[in-house]
Amino acid sequence: DTAVSQTPKYLVTQMGNDKSIKCEQNLGHDTMYWYKQDSKKFLKIMFSYNNKELIINETVPNRFSPKSPDKAHLNLHINSLELGDSAVYFCASSQESYPENTIYFGEGSWLTVV
Amino acid sequence: DAKTTQPTSMDCAEGRAANLPCNHSTISGNEYVYWYRQIHSQGPQYIIHGLKNNETNEMASLIITEDRKSSTLILPHATLRDTAVYYCIVRLLQKLTFGTGTRLTIIP
Repeated sequence: DTAVSQTPKYLVTQMGNDKSIKCEQNLGHDTMYWYKQDSKKFLKIMFSYNNKELIINETVPNRFSPKSPDKAHLNLHINSLELGDSAVYFCASSQESYPENTIYFGEGSWLTVV
Repeated sequence: DAKTTQPTSMDCAEGRAANLPCNHSTISGNEYVYWYRQIHSQGPQYIIHGLKNNETNEMASLIITEDRKSSTLILPHATLRDTAVYYCIVRLLQKLTFGTGTRLTIIP
């Protein structure tokens, strides 16, 4: 069973489109994250949700909007896609109890904007 | 978050111990050292973490110097499947801040 699963794994879309990436975790965790890995392979946190509430919001354009319908899901919606949005997006989850709370990552969603 | 410095790349012979160093000279007292790895085209995988004592689990050992300004990740018997980028991270609260990591290549 996949602990943190993301869909779709690959997404190719045109500039200006709106797209969503879905994430689900079956670990019973209460905190979920979105990370972005760009073409230079740098991994950066974008958002973090705890019990459906936003707790970390790094400098990310307003076109990116996370939505957490429940503790097990954190979806990423992107409006008006730009070429620079092409990247690998990783969802992750953990329990709230820092620091003994390992963060588990999904396998990534490869987004290509053309 | 405290910054970490790692060598860009390393090679290790299959079956030997791989020792990956990390400098984190600005680490503060309540920050943990975490190690993750990323095998090509996969999500980051947790390896081990520690505060000031040495730690060991089924994957690796973590040696942290007494002043906590550096640490070493040890893979005791490297296999070809250990080829990956290894990230040393100093973690505060919920955020993992990844650096550029060390690309470890295991040589047959």
